[in-house]
Amino acid sequence: DAGVTQSPTHLIKTRGQHVTLRCSPISGHKSVSWYQQVLGQGPQFIFQYYEKEERGRGNFPDRFSARQFPNYSSELNVNALLLGDSALYLCASSYQGGQGSSGANVLTFGAGSRLTVL
Amino acid sequence: EDKVVQSPLSLVVHEGDTVTLNCSYEVTNFRSLLWYKQEKKAPTFLFMLTSSGIEKKSGRLSSILDKKELFSILNITATQTGDSAVYLCAVIHRRYNFNKFYFGSGTKLNVKP
Repeated sequence: DAGVTQSPTHLIKTRGQHVTLRCSPISGHKSVSWYQQVLGQGPQFIFQYYEKEERGRGNFPDRFSARQFPNYSSELNVNALLLGDSALYLCASSYQGGQGSSGANVLTFGAGSRLTVL
Repeated sequence: EDKVVQSPLSLVVHEGDTVTLNCSYEVTNFRSLLWYKQEKKAPTFLFMLTSSGIEKKSGRLSSILDKKELFSILNITATQTGDSAVYLCAVIHRRYNFNKFYFGSGTKLNVKP
């Protein structure tokens, strides 16, 4: 079975540009979450989507937006890129978004998209 | 403010050594604590702990949670070079209808031959 797949794996942008990152969850998983991981730090929560609805948003500016499609895949968009947006962006999927058993909410991560902003 | 703190930040040991990694947390509406191993990019799931005092074990790795003192430890016995990685601790904060994960900064483990 395919795991969580993300694209692109690496990309380089310049300040002020826009970027779109894509994520396909594990088959059967209905929830997708996005995390930002700056070098030397742990992942920081950006968004969670469940059944195409935003369930939660982290402490990130409005330049960050996301959506989930009917097939449960997701996109993360970042506008007006800043140097500080350089990071590994991780997508994670889980079977459920928060309700149900604990096991159904374990996050399975993709390999990430490495964004460098120059 | 909810937070997760891991210690030490980094650790260098030799093969065969036993290591203990620490994770303390201050997170409201606690649901569970998880340990992940991150070798290159994707963190991979190790354990989920929900109840105090019950040890979870997988091969040479084991972990336990203390909900009274708000911490967890991850033990690795007879370390191997393949154990070299960043170990992340995450705590789930139950919020309305979703779970928010708070991650620590990780412990970077380097196992030398």
